[in-house]
Parts: sequence; C-alpha cells; structure tokens
Amino acid sequence: DADVTQTPRNRITKTGKRIMLECSQTKGHDRMYWYRQDPGLGLRLIYYSFDVKDINKGEISDGYSVSRQAQAKFSLSLESAIPNQTALYFCATSVGGTGSDTQYFGPGTRLTVL
Amino acid sequence: SQELEQSPQSLIVQEGKNLTINCTSSKTLYGLYWYKQKYGEGLIFLMMLQKGGEEKSHEKITAKLDEKKQQSSLHITASQPSHAGIYLCGARRRNDRSSNTGKLIFGQGTTLQVKP
Repeated sequence: DADVTQTPRNRITKTGKRIMLECSQTKGHDRMYWYRQDPGLGLRLIYYSFDVKDINKGEISDGYSVSRQAQAKFSLSLESAIPNQTALYFCATSVGGTGSDTQYFGPGTRLTVL
Repeated sequence: SQELEQSPQSLIVQEGKNLTINCTSSKTLYGLYWYKQKYGEGLIFLMMLQKGGEEKSHEKITAKLDEKKQQSSLHITASQPSHAGIYLCGARRRNDRSSNTGKLIFGQGTTLQVKP
C-alpha cells in the first residue's frame, strides 16, 4: 500500500465551485506539504504544515486554504475554483528535524477547472 | 526566471546511450534532491546530496554536487526505456531563514525519452 495517498486522483469541476483535495499518510511524518505542478514551471509550494497546530503559507497560497485534521491528514481547499487553478496537485510529507528531511510525494490529483 | 535551472529541458536518446542532466543555481544550495516522475504520476525520490563534492549512485544513475554547491549533475549510464520520465531537481537555499522547514524550490524538470 502507498505511504502517501491522495483523493481524488482526477477531478473536473466548474468555475466558482468549492473543491477539497485530501491527503493521507501512513509514514508517521510530522510535516506535510501541498504543491501544484504546471508545465514548464516545476513544482510550487502552496501550503505546508509542521504539525497539526502549525500551518504556513507557501509561495502561491492565494485562492487556497488548508486544514490539518490529524498528523496523518492534510486537506487542500479551493474556495471558489477558477480556470488558472487547473494543474496537477501533489501532497508530500517529511519527517522533519533532520539534516536531510527528504520529502516523499503522493501520486497527485489532476484538477481541471472549466 | 527559475531559481533552479535544469538543462536540457528535454532529451531523446537511443537505448544504451549515456546522458547527463544538469541543475544550476545562482545561490549556494543547502541540500539538493533528485526526483523522477513518470508522466502524470507522483515523484519518486532518487537521491539527496548535501556536501560539496559529494557523489551518490543508485543502479545506473549517479548524481554529483559540485564543490561550490551551486550545481548538480545526474548521469545515467547505458540508458533503458525504464529510465524515461521527467527528472526534477529540488533544493533548499543555504541562507534561507526558513531552510529548516524543509521547504524546497524546484527546477522546471527535464523530460527524458529513451528510444528502444
């Protein structure tokens, strides 16, 4: 079974709709991250969380919100989806507190906003 | 412009050939990570380099971090169709006060095709 799972894997929605993307992990990691990937731009950080009480904005947080329901769950919401939020979204986790702090990624959610 | 520049952006090689992908930063890197992504799928962690001059290998893939810690190269020996995908480098900046958060910046990716 995958250590980092994301649901749904694919979603098509309309402009103005509220959307929630969910991420769960069984790695026992404290840190969790949300990224979006756009062609030619690599990955950009939306939000990250050190633990359930600590949530921080990344470089492109406008139009998004997050919720850390538990150590293992980190959800990303688009309050009112717009077409330029069409992208591939990734959740990642890391153990934190170490020099290397490697991030491990989920399989991604492909979101299309019409 | 990207803080991390990867070159080339895309690469097509014949099976069995060697290839190199570069990742360059204008600032000193705190840690350099290489990931592989199959089209439309998640990122698979390959290797992490932290010390200047460090070199790591996994099967036929070797990654190096130069002495000044501003460039890394990923070398694939005797490429196979299974090596095809998008290779991304990610890095933490040395003087970023938030570097202990584990936040990464990423290059734009290099798409590799291997022709049988």
